[in-house]
Formats: sequence, structure tokens, C-alpha cells
Amino acid sequence: AQKITQTQPGMFVQEKEAVTLDCTYDTSDPSYGLFWYKQPSSGEMIFLIYQGSYDQQNATEGRYSLNFQKARKSANLVISASQLGDSAMYFCAMRAQNTGNQFYFGTGTSLTVIP
Amino acid sequence: DTEVTQTPKHLVMGMTNKKSLKCEQHMGHRAMYWYKQKAKKPPELMFVYSYEKLSINESVPSRFSPECPNSSLLNLHLHALQPEDSALYLCASSQGWGGTLPNQPQHFGDGTRLSIL
Repeated sequence: AQKITQTQPGMFVQEKEAVTLDCTYDTSDPSYGLFWYKQPSSGEMIFLIYQGSYDQQNATEGRYSLNFQKARKSANLVISASQLGDSAMYFCAMRAQNTGNQFYFGTGTSLTVIP
Repeated sequence: DTEVTQTPKHLVMGMTNKKSLKCEQHMGHRAMYWYKQKAKKPPELMFVYSYEKLSINESVPSRFSPECPNSSLLNLHLHALQPEDSALYLCASSQGWGGTLPNQPQHFGDGTRLSIL
């Protein structure tokens, strides 16, 4: 079975600072993908960044980067230069080869950016 | 603007009403999903359609009835709902599972906020 764990229910960060949101996962499948989504209070789920289990380099997308440590089964999201608009819920998710179309979500982290 | 369109954005209905939620995507995705989400919680999977066939039903009560008329459309028919069914209902789509790398993300609509009176 696949499992995603996010241990930080809430996080605070000062504007313009960097913040790391933790995500650990558990799967016996050697081929999987890890995804981060942002959900503002308005409700839409926004895809941020993807990391594949075979990727040799950490993924980056603008101010978002993924600290992928395969041996530790962790895929932490790093947001650099935080902005007020980054305040939202953040969900880590996984898709594995053996479970095809199904995505597994963590419990989420609520990030608040302080001016 | 999201590439997955959900209507309506808000819906208030009584417990005896019948209503439908609609979802449309034109990205050529062959997997479509319905999720239920309560505030500050992760989305809970309800149904998955793969190539217009129902492939996953997460033991959802029969008062929720999904329908996939074609590869672009997904409906969720609602009947005799309970107050605990009040939630945000999210539709998503992704590239259909092709048996290779699981590297395709889901794309979500903005959701329908459903309130049951």
C-alpha cells in the first residue's frame, strides 16, 4: 500500500524568507511520482512540482524546489523568497506504477506568510 | 484559469432534491476523478473513470451516482443527500495510465461548494 505523511499541520514564515514543508512516503513500488499541490482558501488545487523516483536531480520550478532524498523516502518542498500569496494549504501526493491512475494524498500543511 | 471546468461553483440543496455536478476537460485526458473534501483535510477519492469506464468506486453511498458520457465530460448525480455530505467536490483529470512512468499530475477544477440543508 502507498502512504504519504505530512507531519506539520501548520507552518509560519516571514515574508521573503525560505520555508521547507516536509513529506515522507512509503511504497514498495520502485517506480513512482511525487507531486506537490497548493490549495488557497478559494479551493482550487494547483499543481506545483513533480519528482520522479528515477530522477537523478531535484526538481525545480521557479521559487519551488523539491529536496528529494530517496533513501529516506522524503520529498520536501522548499519555497524560496516567500510571498503573501503563498499562504495556503499544501498537499504532497504520490502516484505509483502498480496503482496506475490512483493518487495518494498527505494530510496537508497550512502555510501562513507573515508580512 | 483552470483547464478543468466545474459547474456550478456553489450549490445549496435540500435533502430531498436531485441535482447534478458537471465537469469538463479538453486536454485529451483519459482518466477523470471525483473527490470530496472537507475544510483543512485532504481530498477523499470517490470515483475514478478510465477511458470512460468506472475503474474505482471507493465504497461511496448510492446517493452519489457518477456518469461519464464521453471522454471530456464527467457528471456526479446527487439524490437524497445528508447534511454530512456538505463539502467541496473536486473534479480532476490526468493522462490515462499507460503502464510506463507515473509522471503525469492531476489537473483539478475549482470545485463545487455543496451545502445540504
